[in-house]
Amino acid sequence: DTGVSQDPRHKITKRGQNVTFRCDPISEHNRLYWYRQTLGQGPEFLTYFQNEAQLEKSRLLSDRFSAERPKGSFSTLEIQRTEQGDSAMYLCASSWTSGGRHNEQFFGPGTRLTVL
Amino acid sequence: AQSVAQPEDQVNVAEGNPLTVKCTYSVSGNPYLFWYVQYPNRGLQFLLKYITGDNLVKGSYGFEAEFNKSQTSFHLKKPSALVSDSALYFCAVRVPMDSSYKLIFGSGTRLLVRP
Repeated sequence: DTGVSQDPRHKITKRGQNVTFRCDPISEHNRLYWYRQTLGQGPEFLTYFQNEAQLEKSRLLSDRFSAERPKGSFSTLEIQRTEQGDSAMYLCASSWTSGGRHNEQFFGPGTRLTVL
Repeated sequence: AQSVAQPEDQVNVAEGNPLTVKCTYSVSGNPYLFWYVQYPNRGLQFLLKYITGDNLVKGSYGFEAEFNKSQTSFHLKKPSALVSDSALYFCAVRVPMDSSYKLIFGSGTRLLVRP
């Protein structure tokens, strides 16, 4: 399967614990996005990378959240000291962007986080 | 503020009948518009996009959408619904001057096609 993959698919943790999610984008894609989706809502943008550079972070991304994309390949999203309000589906998407072409984003299956 | 509205939480339609899922947007400039579909326990799947050109856009699985600039709408349509079309549908917009190309999503519309 050459689509976007995410690991784990489900994560249950206790409040105050740290969690880390991984996203593997489509291999030739240079952009990688993280979104968060809560029940009954559409996905909301968190942050994105152009190759290895993190170029924008949403105000939703508090200082407990950190994302990396070493070497411009896979990405990790870490949440420190989790809170119950962090419970959500975390979606990763990737796209190829060059010369202003408007290519669609391809989404992974998501990681569902439950904070008890 | 840039936003997308999907005024219907749920749309019910009988199999074989035409379906419409509504979307309106509020964006400065000429928007780039997208429709995605989400099946249970799966990520979003791209259906179609409008960037420029013909206002009627055709996409995957027989879906199409019509861009209407005067009404700031981008409704999703299909001439004959299938039970397998039952899913959650999201309209999204990309702000043209935003170099991040991030998507702003509506809240979603659940489509239920009854046999």
